[in-house]
Amino acid sequence: EIVLTQSPGTLSLSPGERATLSCRASQSISSNYLAWYQQKPGQAPRLLIYGASSRAAGIPDRFSGSGSGTDFTLSISRLEPEDFAVYYCQQYGSSPPITFGPGTKVDIK
Amino acid sequence: QVQLVESGGGLVKPGRSLRLSCAASGFTFSDYYMNWIRQAPGKGLEWVSYMSPTGSTKDYADSVKGRFTISRDNTKNSVYLQMNNLRAEDTAVYYCARQQSRFGELPPGFDPWGQGTLVTVSS
Repeated sequence: EIVLTQSPGTLSLSPGERATLSCRASQSISSNYLAWYQQKPGQAPRLLIYGASSRAAGIPDRFSGSGSGTDFTLSISRLEPEDFAVYYCQQYGSSPPITFGPGTKVDIK
Repeated sequence: QVQLVESGGGLVKPGRSLRLSCAASGFTFSDYYMNWIRQAPGKGLEWVSYMSPTGSTKDYADSVKGRFTISRDNTKNSVYLQMNNLRAEDTAVYYCARQQSRFGELPPGFDPWGQGTLVTVSS
């Protein structure tokens, strides 16, 4: 089973600052099979990034994804008030085929 | 517009059963993989199950294997999750989500998601 670890658990930043979120896999995964989601309180998650670095439809370009192998990063260039949320990475593998990381909460400093 | 609407959640006693439904609209349902994902109160996301467009392929998380069954009816644009022998640890909001594209068009990702339905297992 591929285990995803996200760090930090909580990131306290101010609007306008840059956020860098990490997702580490317990074994190498294809970049095609790494996605990122945003979830706000009381809402369903929203797809942000797929294939490690491609933005989903309608996602602002301040969101970017990078990485390969076991280390992946989600960056938010300048935090807007609506970006304060929980972010999850997700991988597609085998047995189980799909797992999520535990999440990183980005909150207002 | 593309929309997924879950229903069927509620309060159920341990050991009992519940069937969740997810009604899809705004796209050709029979072309897409469908998934169930759950989120326990205050916790993270846990993938539960997926099913291929024709229903020929499906899989489950180990935590629900043997107790939950996914199915779909492409004539009704709906996917279902039959949950048997429910346990307290199955308490969660259950979301259905579509793969963002037809198989092979784009790398995988869940988009869109429904609003979720709450299942509470308690005596």
